[in-house]
Amino acid sequence: DAMVIQNPRYQVTQFGKPVTLSCSQTLNHNVMYWYQQKSSQAPKLLFHYYDKDFNNEADTPDNFQSRRPNTSFCFLDIRSPGLGDAAMYLCATSGYRLPVRFDGYTFGSGTRLTVV
Amino acid sequence: GQQLNQSPQSMFIQEGEDVSMNCTSSSIFNTWLWYKQDPGEGPVLLIALYKAGELTSNGRLTAQFGITRKDSFLNISASIPSDVGIYFCAGLNQGGSEKLVFGKGTKLTVNP
Repeated sequence: DAMVIQNPRYQVTQFGKPVTLSCSQTLNHNVMYWYQQKSSQAPKLLFHYYDKDFNNEADTPDNFQSRRPNTSFCFLDIRSPGLGDAAMYLCATSGYRLPVRFDGYTFGSGTRLTVV
Repeated sequence: GQQLNQSPQSMFIQEGEDVSMNCTSSSIFNTWLWYKQDPGEGPVLLIALYKAGELTSNGRLTAQFGITRKDSFLNISASIPSDVGIYFCAGLNQGGSEKLVFGKGTKLTVNP
């Protein structure tokens, strides 16, 4: 089945140690998103790629970076994780299918990040 | 910025009861989405609404896109224990920024 896959499901990292979360998709969607979700809150958009164009949210800390080497993969890099960065990180995709019809958003299962 | 007001914040119901939750917005959306999120999982799309006035069903779930394009509701009929979770509404303007605006969620508890 076409889907959005996030790895790993659980990630433990040390305070200040760089960490990378990955997302892959088989939907061939042109837009990929990264969201941060803290307990009992709605997901918060960090940034998204429209094809190769990177779109950062104004309030996303510089500590968060992203890479999209190709259509299928997108990475979230946290350069120096702090205790406040512990959260669920969700990847999502969206796109269009013929006839022009919005297709998405589809979320991955998320990566639960713990900072120790 | 755009905000969605989702209510109620939480619901405690008995198995078999019907459930209704809604979202309102101060601005217009051209797409409304309803998601369910189980603990430790990502949101799963339940229903997508694309036209004002549209009424769509998915099994025991029914959702409507308000005529003003500023609101939507989700109904669940004959609730079962596996309906437990957090339900999020989300608004989207396709062809624009493609950004989802989420409601704060409705936490549903179903007592057997």
